[in-house]
Amino acid sequence: DQQVKQNSPSLSVQEGRISILNCDYTNSMFDYFLWYKKYPAEGPTFLISISSIKDKNEDGRFTVFLNKSAKHLSLHIVPSQPGDSAVYFCAANRPGGSQGNLIFGKGTKLSVKP
Amino acid sequence: GAVVSQHPSRVICKSGTSVKIECRSLDFQATTMFWYRQFPKQSLMLMATSNEGSKATYEQGVEKDKFLINHASLTLSTLTVTSAHPEDSSFYICSARPMDRDDSPLHFGNGTRLTVT
Repeated sequence: DQQVKQNSPSLSVQEGRISILNCDYTNSMFDYFLWYKKYPAEGPTFLISISSIKDKNEDGRFTVFLNKSAKHLSLHIVPSQPGDSAVYFCAANRPGGSQGNLIFGKGTKLSVKP
Repeated sequence: GAVVSQHPSRVICKSGTSVKIECRSLDFQATTMFWYRQFPKQSLMLMATSNEGSKATYEQGVEKDKFLINHASLTLSTLTVTSAHPEDSSFYICSARPMDRDDSPLHFGNGTRLTVT
């Protein structure tokens, strides 16, 4: 039972345009969400997070939006750059668990074409 | 800062042998480290939580006698896959955060690709 879903396994975007990566979750008790980026042969690196008390968090070119009623969050990258090409994982903090107990989606592979 | 180093990055072993994977926090101390596993086309799944100086906590369905975890110091946790079988072939990755930074996100190692033949 996948509690965090990334329904698009891949996304291709032109350089300079906006990339929108989507994530859905099923457990309304999730209270903290994170996005990680992963390059081949490397571990995931933290990108941006959002608490359930907010609906938006912005950091430079990266913005995460949270729609609690729809149990949906999205990561916007604008403008997209070729170096953004990677696999992006959405993760939620497991309720009642330690801060390291994350539930991950399967990832979306983003390709930014020059 | 907050670098997590994992070794080896890739290992091939024969069925029935044991494999040890090390996870080190290079520039911080961690009382807790987390071991994840990722099968092909699946998401990262938490296997166990490694606690310095005490027993690890295993997720449901993970055999503690098969996946031995030792957290001997504040900078080192090891995962030993005992009597490995082909179905244990997977990508194992550890993570940690500085012990004095509960608000810090998890930092991941580069993972270990285990292939059991």
